[in-house]
Amino acid sequence: GDSVTQMEGPVTLSEEAFLTINCTYTATGYPSLFWYVQYPGEGLQLLLKATKADDKGSNKGFEATYRKETTSFHLEKGSVQVSDSAVYFCALSLLGYKLSFGAGTTVTVRA
Amino acid sequence: GAVVSQHPSWVICKSGTSVKIECRSLDFQATTMFWYRQFPKQSLMLMATSNEGSKATYEQGVEKDKFLINHASLTLSTLTVTSAHPEDSSFYICSAREQNTGELFFGEGSRLTVL
Repeated sequence: GDSVTQMEGPVTLSEEAFLTINCTYTATGYPSLFWYVQYPGEGLQLLLKATKADDKGSNKGFEATYRKETTSFHLEKGSVQVSDSAVYFCALSLLGYKLSFGAGTTVTVRA
Repeated sequence: GAVVSQHPSWVICKSGTSVKIECRSLDFQATTMFWYRQFPKQSLMLMATSNEGSKATYEQGVEKDKFLINHASLTLSTLTVTSAHPEDSSFYICSAREQNTGELFFGEGSRLTVL
């Protein structure tokens, strides 16, 4: 079935460091791909998305490119801040319907 | 952006009692809502898909008689955990699919603790 595998955490970084969270997927069709973020004590929020191959989603300094050839959607940010500390979930959706989530990666950014 | 509200945000109950969790889309209509369960340090597991005016569709392994879902209006879906037991303790999250754009919005979650 459709599934998402993302890098296990936790990840601890210093402020202004470069962040990468790997995400690969398995799907029978051509899914839309998402990154969601869950800040402490809050619900999930859509961070960015890409709906077709080679699309790049970006938001708040984060970027991810839909790579069909490697079935990947890695999340990157060039310079993290303490406020980026959160749990990040990679997810896919076929036909814009149900979401399948990865296990989540906890990121802690130290000042 | 659109807001999805869950209530209560946390609840503690005794084993054997039933608990109802509400999921409301505050400023949009949602013909479809989803209920997820999140275990500590794990991902969200889809429990069921709730469609307004019809029966919910449950994922494999989810007991429909245990987790009753009602989607009575375009802005409200409820999840009732019946005869709750400690193993039902978890974080329950709903999401609502905006009727026109299809975009998904998530509630803040409801933490259930069964003693």
